[in-house]
Amino acid sequence: GAVVSQHPSRVICKSGTSVKIECRSLDFQATTMFWYRQFPKQSLMLMATSNEGSKATYEQGVEKDKFLINHASLTLSTLTVTSAHPEDSSFYICSARRGRLPSLRLTQYYEQYFGPGTRLTVT
Amino acid sequence: DAKTTQPTSMDCAEGRAANLPCNHSTISGNEYVYWYRQIHSQGPQYIIHGLKNNETNEMASLIITEDRKSSTLILPHATLRDTAVYYCIVGHGESGGSNYKLTFGKGTLLTVNP
Repeated sequence: GAVVSQHPSRVICKSGTSVKIECRSLDFQATTMFWYRQFPKQSLMLMATSNEGSKATYEQGVEKDKFLINHASLTLSTLTVTSAHPEDSSFYICSARRGRLPSLRLTQYYEQYFGPGTRLTVT
Repeated sequence: DAKTTQPTSMDCAEGRAANLPCNHSTISGNEYVYWYRQIHSQGPQYIIHGLKNNETNEMASLIITEDRKSSTLILPHATLRDTAVYYCIVGHGESGGSNYKLTFGKGTLLTVNP
């Protein structure tokens, strides 16, 4: 269980166009999904957090008007890179979180699972 | 935010145990330690997580020190396919809140040699 898929796995687009990336949790409902970006030889950088049915929360320095996030259902979130430029070329990875309710003894923790990533190349 | 410190790289012989250390000296009482790994050009793979007690699953064991300031991930019998970047992460944000998130550091590149 706990499978997260992304589509497409690779995309090449021309500068100035928009690209949509889909992220789906296949076997669980994800109230929260995350979008990360990874440049070559660097670690993952969190871009934004999205909760189903509400607006995404963007990390500092991430342009919300450029990276549009929609989380319309408990199993689907989309990231649209608008007016893409070559510097937006990167590996985009989504993640879906399955939460656990706290009990009297346990601190709440989350199971977070990652998609396989989407390689975006802007020419 | 609790930050983690890991060695940049480690080597391990195939079939031997790989012990990956992580320091998280500023961890707070309700923060979990998570371990993920990333094989080249793939999404991170969940390995294990823990709070206070040692944990074991089919992939690995997690040993957390009593003061919780450090932990060790143990791969008992490393194989060539275990070559990857291993990330030790402390979950931060309001427990139970929507801002709870995982922030990745640079991780440890583990190379398993034949």
